[in-house]
Amino acid sequence: AQSVAQPEDQVNVAEGNPLTVKCTYSVSGNPYLFWYVQYPNRGLQFLLKYITGDNLVKGSYGFEAEFNKSQTSFHLKKPSALVSDSALYFCAVRDPLTGGGNKLTFGTGTQLKVEL
Amino acid sequence: DTAVSQTPKYLVTQMGNDKSIKCEQNLGHDTMYWYKQDSKKFLKIMFSYNNKELIINETVPNRFSPKSPDKAHLNLHINSLELGDSAVYFCASSQNRQEQFFGPGTRLTVL
Repeated sequence: AQSVAQPEDQVNVAEGNPLTVKCTYSVSGNPYLFWYVQYPNRGLQFLLKYITGDNLVKGSYGFEAEFNKSQTSFHLKKPSALVSDSALYFCAVRDPLTGGGNKLTFGTGTQLKVEL
Repeated sequence: DTAVSQTPKYLVTQMGNDKSIKCEQNLGHDTMYWYKQDSKKFLKIMFSYNNKELIINETVPNRFSPKSPDKAHLNLHINSLELGDSAVYFCASSQNRQEQFFGPGTRLTVL
């Protein structure tokens, strides 16, 4: 079975400071990992993914994420947060061995609040 | 140009009614999905179709029935609506099991 955990319901950070949103996963095989962002009353927007290759993945809007196999983590990061980054962030995982049909399992979401 | 669109955006109805939500994607993707997001923002897959064939069918009451007339469309029909069906329903699509692109959602309220 595949699962993903986002241990923080909310993360608060001051504008200009670096931000990290945490994600850990559990799969049988090598994971496909994704980050999505959801603004209020909107659908989810794809930010970045890790399938294979470099552990540091760069995505949209200056976000990046680091795949760490030993810690089974895929934390989302940004060097300098903006107020406009405030939104709900979802981590998702797919196990290619068992996640048939491109089934994604989503975390419970982390609300990011960036303050002036 | 809208990539994944859903209609209606809002749906308010009485318990016991039957309703449908429509989804269309113009991305040329081969796989489409329906997700349910509850009031706590928890997101769970319901169904997935690949080239009009049902490939994911999660533990969902059989009052929910998806239908894919072609690769670009995936509709969701719900019979005998219940209070617990109130949620936001998202359609999504993907190509070759890559990242999924989501529609804007349909907020269903059952009174």
